[in-house]
Amino acid sequence: SQKIEQNSEALNIQEGKTATLTCNYTNYSPAYLQWYRQDPGRGPVFLLLIRENEKEKRKERLKVTFDTTLKQSLFHITASQPADSATYLCARGNYGQNFVFGPGTRLSVLP
Amino acid sequence: EAQVTQNPRYLITVTGKKLTVTCSQNMNHEYMSWYRQDPGLGLRQIYYSMNVEVTDKGDVPEGYKVSRKEKRNFPLILESPSPNQTSLYFCASSTTTGVSEKLFFGSGTQLSVL
Repeated sequence: SQKIEQNSEALNIQEGKTATLTCNYTNYSPAYLQWYRQDPGRGPVFLLLIRENEKEKRKERLKVTFDTTLKQSLFHITASQPADSATYLCARGNYGQNFVFGPGTRLSVLP
Repeated sequence: EAQVTQNPRYLITVTGKKLTVTCSQNMNHEYMSWYRQDPGLGLRQIYYSMNVEVTDKGDVPEGYKVSRKEKRNFPLILESPSPNQTSLYFCASSTTTGVSEKLFFGSGTQLSVL
């Protein structure tokens, strides 16, 4: 079955630096990968979606890449701020099929 | 306003007492799903539904039931709750048209089974 792995349970970085989070998947390539942000006690909130035929997607300070050869997506937050501290979840999807989430990476941006 | 509404927000119950957590969405989404979230284990899917009267098991379905009689509602039923079902539960919905299949999540239900 499809499995999603996120390489770090927790990541600490200094304010102003770029945070890079990794998402790896096994077996067949999903049609797309999604990234969500989750704050403690709240539901995840959608950030970005990248399709398998897209190499890179950007939204403000966020950037996502999709490498089907490595079976990996990288999520970058540039010029990170303490307000970016949260858990970030990767999820895979195929059109009309079930969503599967990775375990998440808890990011802490230190002032 | 587009939203997924879960009720109740907090629930404390005792072992064996049947309970239902409601979930409703106002976006005419085909896909709906239930997740539970436990420390260190991330979001684990309980059940999902691709459309009315179509449901399927996720990764951790034991001890739960669902039904999808109407498109907007997807209740989660615990027939005989046990302490290991103490968790934070999330309902989510999405379109399945392939245009933008992002999930919309409810605010969560914190369940404690004593």
